[in-house]
Amino acid sequence: GNSVTQMEGPVTLSEEAFLTINCTYTATGYPSLFWYVQYPGEGLQLLLKATKADDKGSNKGFEATYRKETTSFHLEKGSVQVSDSAVYFCALTGNAGGTSYGKLTFGQGTILTVHP
Amino acid sequence: EPEVTQTPSHQVTQMGQEVILRCVPISNHLYFYWYRQILGQKVEFLVSFYNNEISEKSEIFDDQFSVERPDGSNFTLKIRSTKLEDSAMYFCASSDWNEQYFGPGTRLTVT
Repeated sequence: GNSVTQMEGPVTLSEEAFLTINCTYTATGYPSLFWYVQYPGEGLQLLLKATKADDKGSNKGFEATYRKETTSFHLEKGSVQVSDSAVYFCALTGNAGGTSYGKLTFGQGTILTVHP
Repeated sequence: EPEVTQTPSHQVTQMGQEVILRCVPISNHLYFYWYRQILGQKVEFLVSFYNNEISEKSEIFDDQFSVERPDGSNFTLKIRSTKLEDSAMYFCASSDWNEQYFGPGTRLTVT
């Protein structure tokens, strides 16, 4: 079945540092890939997505590139802010083409804390 | 901006009791889901619902669980006889073709 593996957390950074959170996946076919973020006390929010190989998703300074050859979708940001402190989840659906009406399979989540 | 809402935010119940977790999805969405997250573990899919029936369910979603969309706006998850291991955060989500929107979750504590 499908699975997602994220780097172990928590991750603690100083403001303006570079962020990478690794994510690799196992899936049959051509999944769509997502990063969700959960701020304290809130639900999961879609941060970015990519629907086919070599696509780059981006939002709010975060980026991730769908690498089929390495089955990876690593999240990066060049300069983190205190307000980026949250839990980040990598996820996939088995539906190709960008649709998101199938079940999501999540990684275990990575807690990011950014200090001033 | 439309959002998914869930009630209650926290539910404490005794083992063996029935609980109903409630969700109000975004009004024009067609797909509905429940997920759960046991403390410190992954968010896990429970069930998806489309066109008034279950479209997919996980092995977690056994006979103790049921879902219903009783009135065209609410979407509920019922656990008939709660166990200690049902203690978790339960998330409802709804989707259009592009994105699943999640509610803030209900924290269920079974004592």
